[in-house]
Amino acid sequence: AQSVTQLGSHVSVSEGALVLLRCNYSSSVPPYLFWYVQYPNQGLQLLLKYTSAATLVKGINGFEAEFKKSETSFHLTKPSAHMSDAAEYFCAVSSGGGADGLTFGKGTHLIIQP
Amino acid sequence: SAVISQKPSRDICQRGTSLTIQCQVDSQVTMMFWYRQQPGQSLTLIATANQGSEATYESGFVIDKFPISRPNLTFSTLTVSNMSPEDSSIYLCSVDWGQDTQYFGPGTRLTVL
Repeated sequence: AQSVTQLGSHVSVSEGALVLLRCNYSSSVPPYLFWYVQYPNQGLQLLLKYTSAATLVKGINGFEAEFKKSETSFHLTKPSAHMSDAAEYFCAVSSGGGADGLTFGKGTHLIIQP
Repeated sequence: SAVISQKPSRDICQRGTSLTIQCQVDSQVTMMFWYRQQPGQSLTLIATANQGSEATYESGFVIDKFPISRPNLTFSTLTVSNMSPEDSSIYLCSVDWGQDTQYFGPGTRLTVL
């Protein structure tokens, strides 16, 4: 069984500040981990993925995430927030990459303060 | 990346009726998935649809309520049957694009009155 916990349903940061969105996972097998972003009234867009290669993964729009097995974490960061980053962010886990259904966390709503 | 379209983009339906949602991909894919996103909630996997075989449903979802078709490698439908207000959600399809990646369609926003 797999599960994902995202700490903080809402995170508010100032424009230009560091963005940190937390994700912890539980998996009985080596996991595949994903971050997706959902802008208002849109579908999901893949930000980045971890698939057992490099533990520090770089994605689109300046986001990156680090896989830490000892902490079962896959936190998402961005050095400097931009107003356009305001959206819902979902962490997801899979045991079979894209060939298995994804288990999603509850999501974190990122608010950017001007 | 995959280009995925869904029809309809949104609909308002009466309770007791059924709605069929279509998902079209611009390339052939083996695995397609259907998810539900209830208002203010995360995504939950409904079923996995492989071409040429019966869909595999997750716990809590049954074929009578959510029949799925997968007639070819670029198309799938999900029907929401005998709808009730609790079925009001966004329904999304996704595809396994290889390289350990799933891409999602834009979603179908369903409101049941």
